[in-house]
Amino acid sequence: KAGVTQTPRYLIKTRGQQVTLSCSPISGHRSVSWYQQTPGQGLQFLFEYFSETQRNKGNFPGRFSGRQFSNSRSEMNVSTLELGDSALYLCASSGQGSNSPLHFGNGTRLTVT
Amino acid sequence: GESVGLHLPTLSVQEGDNSIINCAYSNSASDYFIWYKQESGKGPQFIIDIRSNMDKRQGQRVTVLLNKTVKHLSLQIAATQPGDSAVYFCAENTSGTYKYIFGTGTRLKVLA
Repeated sequence: KAGVTQTPRYLIKTRGQQVTLSCSPISGHRSVSWYQQTPGQGLQFLFEYFSETQRNKGNFPGRFSGRQFSNSRSEMNVSTLELGDSALYLCASSGQGSNSPLHFGNGTRLTVT
Repeated sequence: GESVGLHLPTLSVQEGDNSIINCAYSNSASDYFIWYKQESGKGPQFIIDIRSNMDKRQGQRVTVLLNKTVKHLSLQIAATQPGDSAVYFCAENTSGTYKYIFGTGTRLKVLA
């Protein structure tokens, strides 16, 4: 079974630009979550989607948004990039049922200059 | 690969010894806990999980202990190997919130 796939692997953007990151979950997984990882803040929850509906959102500004498609694939978008948005963005999928573990992709490394 | 965390607490153990990594979780309502391993350049990898109705769970070479009274979680790795060198995170979840809270992580270094 293929794991969680994130594209692109690396991105370099300049301040003020916007970026879209893509995630394909494990086949059969309908829940997709996004996390931001930085050395200073660790892993921080961005949002979670299930069946195209956002069920929870973390404490990030409105510049961070996401969506999920009918095939469970997900994208997240960051607009008006700031230097502090430089981070590893991780996508994870999980199966149905409460207490299903997250399975992570290898992330997209975003650098904002 | 880039560092996951530049100033993480570090545990150094000799190859073949047992390792114990500790985590204090934050929410007394959390009812599901996971340990993850993250190697440089990769995403976190699931190791073992435990539900709040259990105190202990064993896997292959790993054991997780949960103490709900003091909100403490530990990961024990038996016969630590060089391939165990990585950053380890605990994560907690409360049913119905659809989000996990991650600990700050511990770097495990295995000395040959």
